[in-house]
Amino acid sequence: GQNIDQPTEMTATEGAIVQINCTYQTSGFNGLFWYQQHAGEAPTFLSYNVLDGLEETGRFSSFLSRSKGYSYLLLKELQMKDSASYLCASMDSNYQLIWGAGTKLIIKP
Amino acid sequence: IAGITQAPTSQILAAGRRMTLRCTQDMRHNAMYWYRQDLGLGLRLIHYSNTAGTTGKGEVPDGYSVSRANTDDFPLTLASAVPSQTSVYFCASSGRAGAGDTQYFGPGTRLTVL
Repeated sequence: GQNIDQPTEMTATEGAIVQINCTYQTSGFNGLFWYQQHAGEAPTFLSYNVLDGLEETGRFSSFLSRSKGYSYLLLKELQMKDSASYLCASMDSNYQLIWGAGTKLIIKP
Repeated sequence: IAGITQAPTSQILAAGRRMTLRCTQDMRHNAMYWYRQDLGLGLRLIHYSNTAGTTGKGEVPDGYSVSRANTDDFPLTLASAVPSQTSVYFCASSGRAGAGDTQYFGPGTRLTVL
């Protein structure tokens, strides 16, 4: 079956670094996406990985290991506005996204 | 540029009623999608369309229908609403249905079926 696992909730301190992990198992693999979703709003695209390694965009980085079926999103210099849910999604062989339930990140001052 | 718009923003509906959720994009994207999002669950694909004139079933299509008469519009219809269809519905679009193509989401419709 197809499955995406990520922690339900994480708490971190403003200015710190947090890593959100995601493991995936899908029928075929065409890349791993991370989205951010603030409460009551739509998901917005953060990053895409299709090859092993680290992709960096500003304060956010995303890592992929295809052999381990594993990805993580790294958020540096946390700001209060980073409080949101972070959604991991794997693109399967039909180019459809299989979504995790999301990780709610709480930032404390 | 508006991106993707959805209407209505929210709706309370009596069980058994018919309801159409509207979705329009102005990005000339070929592919469009309807998802539902429920607490504790990931986004689940209801129906999709890879290009105007074609549609396909996603993970949870029962009780829903779609049409894609043109590139811009992708309405979702609940023929006879039931309480289990209470959810937040998101429409999304991407340039094409291919590897790495990013999906962009509308603001969502919050639907309550009583």
